Amino acid sequence: EIVLTQSPGTLSLSPGERATLSCRASQSVSSSYLAWYQQKPGQAPRLLIYGASSRATGIPDRFSGSGSGTDFTLTISRLEPEDFAVYYCQQYGSSPPGLTFGGGTKVEIK
Amino acid sequence: QVQLVESGGGVVQPGGSLRLSCAASGFTFSSYGMHWVRQAPGKGLEWVAFIRYDGSNKYYADSVKGRFTISRDNSKNTLYLQMNSLRAEDTAVYYCAKDQAPWLVLYLPDYWGQGTLVTVSS
Repeated sequence: EIVLTQSPGTLSLSPGERATLSCRASQSVSSSYLAWYQQKPGQAPRLLIYGASSRATGIPDRFSGSGSGTDFTLTISRLEPEDFAVYYCQQYGSSPPGLTFGGGTKVEIK
Repeated sequence: QVQLVESGGGVVQPGGSLRLSCAASGFTFSSYGMHWVRQAPGKGLEWVAFIRYDGSNKYYADSVKGRFTISRDNSKNTLYLQMNSLRAEDTAVYYCAKDQAPWLVLYLPDYWGQGTLVTVSS
């Protein structure tokens, strides 16, 4: 089973600043099957990025994903007030069956 | 637009059972695999189960294998999760979610419902 470790646990930034979130896998993620989700309090997760770097439908271009193998990054170029939330990475693919999430990074207002 | 609405949550005693439902609309339900994912209070996300578009294959997290059963009724556009032998550690918000690609087994939830809370307590 692939274990995903996200860092930092909490990121304190101001609106307009750049956010860089890290996700490290315990073994190589095949075909860059790595996704990122955003979750706000009391809401369901929202898919932001899949395939390591493809934005999901309706996601603003200030969100970008990069990386391959075991190291992946989510970058928010300029934080908007609505971007303060918890972000999860997730690896997917059908072998072995199932999917795993990272522990999450909370982006909070400084 | 895609809509997923969960129901059936509530308070149940340890060892009890509960059945969750997820009503789907806005897409061709019978073409997509579906997931259940849960989130314990104040904790992260944990995948629970997946069922293929036609119900032919089902996969479970080790933590629920043998206790939970995922199923679907494509004629009713509804997903189910039968939960038996419930434990305190099953307390969580349970989300249903649609897999991204039709026909395939991708394990990439793209649209999620708002969740239903299950509390296991005496």
